[in-house]
Amino acid sequence: KAGVTQTPRYLIKTRGQQVTLSCSPISGHRSVSWYQQTPGQGLQFLFEYFSETQRNKGNFPGRFSGRQFSNSRSEMNVSTLELGDSALYLCASSWDTDTQYFGPGTRLTVL
Amino acid sequence: DQQVKQNSPSLSVQEGRISILNCDYTNSMFDYFLWYKKYPAEGPTFLISISSIKDKNEDGRFTVFLNKSAKHLSLHIVPSQPGDSAVYFCAAQPAGNKLTFGGGTRVLVKP
Repeated sequence: KAGVTQTPRYLIKTRGQQVTLSCSPISGHRSVSWYQQTPGQGLQFLFEYFSETQRNKGNFPGRFSGRQFSNSRSEMNVSTLELGDSALYLCASSWDTDTQYFGPGTRLTVL
Repeated sequence: DQQVKQNSPSLSVQEGRISILNCDYTNSMFDYFLWYKKYPAEGPTFLISISSIKDKNEDGRFTVFLNKSAKHLSLHIVPSQPGDSAVYFCAAQPAGNKLTFGGGTRVLVKP
């Protein structure tokens, strides 16, 4: 079974731009969660989508948004990028509220 | 407010010996605990998990112990191998997909 895939793997943007990251979950998994990893804050939960609905949300500003499609693929969008948004963005999938399996991540650099 | 803490940022152990990683949590609503292994610029790899109804779970060289009254869990790796050198994160979740991660422990296994 293929694992979680994320595209692109690397991204460079400038302040003020917006970015969209994509995640394809493990086949059969209906839940997709997004996390941000930075050296200062560690791994932090952004939000979770289940059956196309946001089921859980972390403490991030509204510039961070997401959606999930009927095939469970998910996208995450960050608008009006700030320097502090530079991070490794990780997507994880699970069947429901069980073990989450992570993708390789997207490294976003904001200049 | 760090709800999940890994108080040892690093651990060095000789090949063949036991590695013991510790994790403390404060939120009594957490009912599912996981350990992940992570290499730089990659996504976390799931190692082992434990439900709050158990106090021990074993999978090959990895054993996780949970002490609910002390709000403490530990991961034992026996025997340690050079390939185990990585950063290990403990994570906890309540009923729902919102993982809270500890800060990580960097393990170095010396040949």
